[in-house]
Order: sequence, then structure tokens, then C-alpha cells
Amino acid sequence: DADVTQTPRNRITKTGKRIMLECSQTKGHDRMYWYRQDPGLGLQLIYYSFDVKDINKGEISDGYSVSRQAQAKFSLSLESAIPNQTALYFCATSDTGTGVADTQYFGPGTRLTVL
Amino acid sequence: GEDVEQSLFLSVREGDSSVINCTYTDSSSTYLYWYKQEPGAGLQLLTYIFSNMDMKQDQRLTVLLNKKDKHLSLRIADTQTGDSAIYFCAERTSGTYKYIFGTGTRLKVLA
Repeated sequence: DADVTQTPRNRITKTGKRIMLECSQTKGHDRMYWYRQDPGLGLQLIYYSFDVKDINKGEISDGYSVSRQAQAKFSLSLESAIPNQTALYFCATSDTGTGVADTQYFGPGTRLTVL
Repeated sequence: GEDVEQSLFLSVREGDSSVINCTYTDSSSTYLYWYKQEPGAGLQLLTYIFSNMDMKQDQRLTVLLNKKDKHLSLRIADTQTGDSAIYFCAERTSGTYKYIFGTGTRLKVLA
């Protein structure tokens, strides 16, 4: 079983709709992240959470919100989707307790298309 | 500001060596990573190197770091068709959570 899972894997929605992307992890990590990937660009950080009560904005948080329901779950919401939010979205986790480079582990991604 | 740059494409023949290059700007970078992204999949950590190292080898992968020029490279020996993917370079400063990713290099391996 995958350590970091994302649902749905693909989603097509219409402008103005609210949509939620979900991420779950079984790695026991404290830190979770949401990234966006656009063609020809690197990953951009949307939000990150160091624990259930600690949520922070990343580089491109406008138009997005998040919820950390539990240590293992971190969801990303688009309150009113717009076409330029069409992208590939990745969830990632990391555990600073390892002492080894705070390595981030990524989910398989959710491909979102906003028409 | 911080930036990580990579060329977008690389094409090699099966059995040859591939060298993927990356430059970064943050002189305080402590950790440098290489991730692989196969079609339809997330990013998979291949290897990382500490900034106090010059080289790291792991089976077919060799990472070289030139701190003076802020240049990182990933060499894949005996490249196989299964190595076709997008390779991302990323850097992080110790004590911070923040990764800076490059744009990714799409490696195409020709049979």
C-alpha cells in the first residue's frame, strides 16, 4: 500500500464550483504539504502544516484553503474554482524527527481541470 | 531571490550515460535533492547530498556538487528506457521546511 495517497486522482469541474482534494498518509509524519505543478514550472507550495494545530500559507495560497483533520489527513479546498487553477496537485509529508534531511515524500498527484 | 534552474529536455541513447544539470542561487543551501517523476506518478526521492560533500554515489547514480559554482549534477550510468522520466533538482536550507524546486528535466531514452 502507498504511504501517501490522494483522492481523487483526476477531477474535472466547472468554474465557480467548490472542490476538495484529500490526502492521507500512513508514514506517521507530522508535517504535510500541498504543492501545485504547472507544465514547465517547478512545484509551488500552496499550504503547509507542521502539526494539527499549525497551518501556514505557502507561496501561492490565494484561492485555496486547507484543513488538517488529523495527523494523517490534510485536505485542500478550492472555494470557487477558476480555470487557471487547472494543474497537477501534490501532497507531501516529512518528519523532522528522522534527522536525515527532512525528506519529503510525495503522493501520486491529483490532476484537476477547471472548465 | 532563491532560484533553481534546469534545462527542460535531455535525450540519450540506451546504454549511454545521462548527465542532468542544475544550478541554484542560495549559498546557504544545505541539502540538495534529486527527485524522479514518472508519468502519472508523484515525485520519488532518488538521492540527496549534503552541502559539505562533493560527490555521492549510489549504484548507477552519481551526484556531483560544485559549491563554488552552485552547480549540481546527476549522472545516470548505463541509462535504460525505464529511466525515462522528469528529474527535479531541489534545495533546502537546514532548519527550514522550504524546498525550492527546479522546473524539471525531461529525460528521454532512445532504444
